[in-house]
Amino acid sequence: DGGITQSPKYLFRKEGQNVTLSCEQNLNHDAMYWYRQDPGQGLRLIYYSQIVNDFQKGDIAEGYSVSREKKESFPLTVTSAQKNPTAFYLCASRNSFNYGYTFGSGTRLTVV
Amino acid sequence: QKEVEQNSGPLSVPEGAIASLNCTYSDRGSQSFFWYRQYSGKSPELIMFIYSNGDKEDGRFTAQLNKASQYVSLLIRDSQPSDSATYLCAVNRDNNDMRFGAGTRLTVKP
Repeated sequence: DGGITQSPKYLFRKEGQNVTLSCEQNLNHDAMYWYRQDPGQGLRLIYYSQIVNDFQKGDIAEGYSVSREKKESFPLTVTSAQKNPTAFYLCASRNSFNYGYTFGSGTRLTVV
Repeated sequence: QKEVEQNSGPLSVPEGAIASLNCTYSDRGSQSFFWYRQYSGKSPELIMFIYSNGDKEDGRFTAQLNKASQYVSLLIRDSQPSDSATYLCAVNRDNNDMRFGAGTRLTVKP
């Protein structure tokens, strides 16, 4: 079955530590996105990539970094510069049929 | 002003009733409009999309769009307890940048 796989499902970060969230898709979609969801605030765009080897900052990119070396993969690194990283992180890709997004199952990141 | 606004709810309807969810958006250049359903603790799932003014029906769901009023709605007929979830309205701007509302929490009571 085609879809988006995010791992891990739960992640705990210590102060000052960088962590990387994995996002892999086998839908052959060009565009991929990272969103952060906090309670009551909806989804906020962190980074997006329309094509391999290219990506753009979203509204809240500070403290995050990404890479897009392969069409299938769009990992997100949460750096120590991100002071409030506790949130639900969602990776998505855009289909070319209706331009809607398919989401992965998410990674819940907690600072300990 | 938020780009996509929704009433946060909770909206409570009895089983079998029609649930009506509303959304307004600020960017007149928006091209396409989406409704996602998100169960508690899960990721959003696309349930409806609409591009043109008017109504679009898919099973028990009807999406309505009025570009002049910058208004999108979702009607759920014959609501079931399994429809209890948060519904996210999303708007695609002309650069294919999807903006999401904060969602409306719907509860369908048996």
